[in-house]
Amino acid sequence: EVKLVESGGGLVQPGRSLKLSCAVSGFNFNDYWMGWVRQAPGKGLEWIGEINKDSSTINYTPSLKDKFTISRDNAQNTLYLQMSKLGSEDTAIYYCARETTPMLMDAWGQGASVTVSS
Amino acid sequence: DIVLTQSPALAVSLGQRATISCRASQSVSISRYNLMHWYQQKPGQQPKLLIYRASTLASGIPARFSGSGSGTDFTLTINPVQADDIATYYCQQSRESPPTFGGGTKLELK
Repeated sequence: EVKLVESGGGLVQPGRSLKLSCAVSGFNFNDYWMGWVRQAPGKGLEWIGEINKDSSTINYTPSLKDKFTISRDNAQNTLYLQMSKLGSEDTAIYYCARETTPMLMDAWGQGASVTVSS
Repeated sequence: DIVLTQSPALAVSLGQRATISCRASQSVSISRYNLMHWYQQKPGQQPKLLIYRASTLASGIPARFSGSGSGTDFTLTINPVQADDIATYYCQQSRESPPTFGGGTKLELK
């Protein structure tokens, strides 16, 4: 069974940083691009970015490029999202997703909730 | 960025056909590939891939779901609608980066 499990979410103060993890199982992590998508409360889906199999290519949506960093550890079957300079506009559920081809998400985690508030 | 436009809501009766539309601000097709995909999201759950490349059913998705379209106009059809299909449906393009999603269409019971 394909499983993606996000962790590391929670309440964080404005201006601070937070790192999310996504542990995967049930498929060969090394064979897939992986991505992050977020959803603000009551809103639609926003693609954050993606990383290729060996981390040599990382793409971001331009508006988030300077504050978010995607990485992966193939030995640990884990994807990461480092978020910095967080503001209230970053309050959202953050989903990790497997990409069957770049920018096509065929499996999703259950999401990690991030709330930015003082 | 490519903007995808969906109607916010659609009311349908159980057992009837539901047609959800998505219009792109520019073509999302390359040669014979139509790079438009559809996701279903139920309240409190993660999105689920339903259809990719406009018309190919994802694994495990029932045949009452179908997709069509090319260029800038795409359609997701559910026929017949079942109670379990009440959800929000998003289109998404992968023609160019960043991939973008439509605003979602909430399928409601009439």
